[in-house]
Order: sequence, then structure tokens, then C-alpha cells
Amino acid sequence: KQEVTQIPAALSVPEGENLVLNCSFTDSAIYNLQWFRQDPGKGLTSLLLIQSSQREQTSGRLNASLDKSSGRSTLYIAASQPGDSATYLCAVKSNDYKLSFGAGTTVTVRA
Amino acid sequence: DAGVTQSPTHLIKTRGQQVTLRCSPKSGHDTVSWYQQALGQGPQFIFQYYEEEERQRGNFPDRFSGHQFPNYSSELNVNALLLGDSALYLCASSLRGASRGEKLFFGSGTQLSVL
Repeated sequence: KQEVTQIPAALSVPEGENLVLNCSFTDSAIYNLQWFRQDPGKGLTSLLLIQSSQREQTSGRLNASLDKSSGRSTLYIAASQPGDSATYLCAVKSNDYKLSFGAGTTVTVRA
Repeated sequence: DAGVTQSPTHLIKTRGQQVTLRCSPKSGHDTVSWYQQALGQGPQFIFQYYEEEERQRGNFPDRFSGHQFPNYSSELNVNALLLGDSALYLCASSLRGASRGEKLFFGSGTQLSVL
């Protein structure tokens, strides 16, 4: 069974600082890994999708890396802004097509 | 282009009652998955529907059932509600005919409270 862990559970940084969010998974046989953003009480917004054959994906200030062999992914957010405050979730799609989520990292960017 | 829509947005029920949640997938998508998200946790996979059939199921009891209609919309039914069923229920859609690496698009969810 795939287990996904996100550390830390919460993070508070001053505006302008770079954010580093970690995700680890136990079974390296994956199809892809997706990072999501979730605002309180809301649905999930997809940020980046990394296929198993890829090492990283970039979109604007966001960059996500994937090291499948070690079971790790990192989401970098450059020059954080108060609007980046949210919970960030990573999700891994395994060979059985099921998506396993971590519990998320709640980010607060202080103005 | 409408994204994934869910209804209702909020719902309050009492223990033992039954509830039906609805989801319309993103235009062009044919696969719908349902997730349960308890407070402070990541979403847990309930089941997936494609071509009007349940294709995969997570570790949820038979009290959770679903349906997919010819227009690809879907319903999630929960019978004999328990207090522990209180959660945010999320619907996600995708295009199954695409590669296995297809991106999931989520709705805003239905917040279910069981009293």
C-alpha cells in the first residue's frame, strides 16, 4: 500500500522568502506525482504534474522535482507572497491507478 | 468551459439518514472519481466510475455507492450515515482515454455534516 508523507505539517515564512515543501512516498512504482493547492474548505487546484519519466516541472514561480528511486518530491515556491498561503498536497498515482494523498503542508506567508 | 461542478455545497444530516451528492465533470472528461477528506487530512479515494461502471474502489464500506449517467455526471450515495462520515466530499474528473498520466481536475466539494 502506497504511503505518502508530507513534512513539515505547517510552515510560516515572511513574504519574499523561498518555500521548500517535501513529499515522500513508500512505493517507487508510480505513474506520476501531482502537487495541489487547497484553500480552506475548498476543492483542490492542480499546480504541477510530473510524469514518472520526468525529473522536474516548472510553472512560473513554482518548480517541482521528482526522485522516483528515493521516493521523494520537492515543491519550490520562489519569492513567496501572502496569496501563496494555503495547504499544499502531493498525490501519487501508483500502478493500480489509485491516487494516494499526503496530509498536506499548511503554509502561511506573513506580510 | 465549465470545470467540475458539485452540488450541494453544504449539507447537514442526522445519523442513520441517507444522502446523495452530485458531480458534473469538466467538459470533455469521461471519468469521475470520488474522495472523502476529513478535517486536517488528505483526501481518501472512495471509487472511480467510467462508462457507467465502478472501475476501482478504495477501502470504504458498501454503505458508499455510486452511479454514473450517460452524460458522464455522477452521484455518490451514502446510507445509514455515521458521525464519522462528516467530511468534505470531493469529485475529480479526467479523460480515461488519455495516457495514464492524465491530470485530475477537482470540484469545490460538498461539506457534509452528520449530527
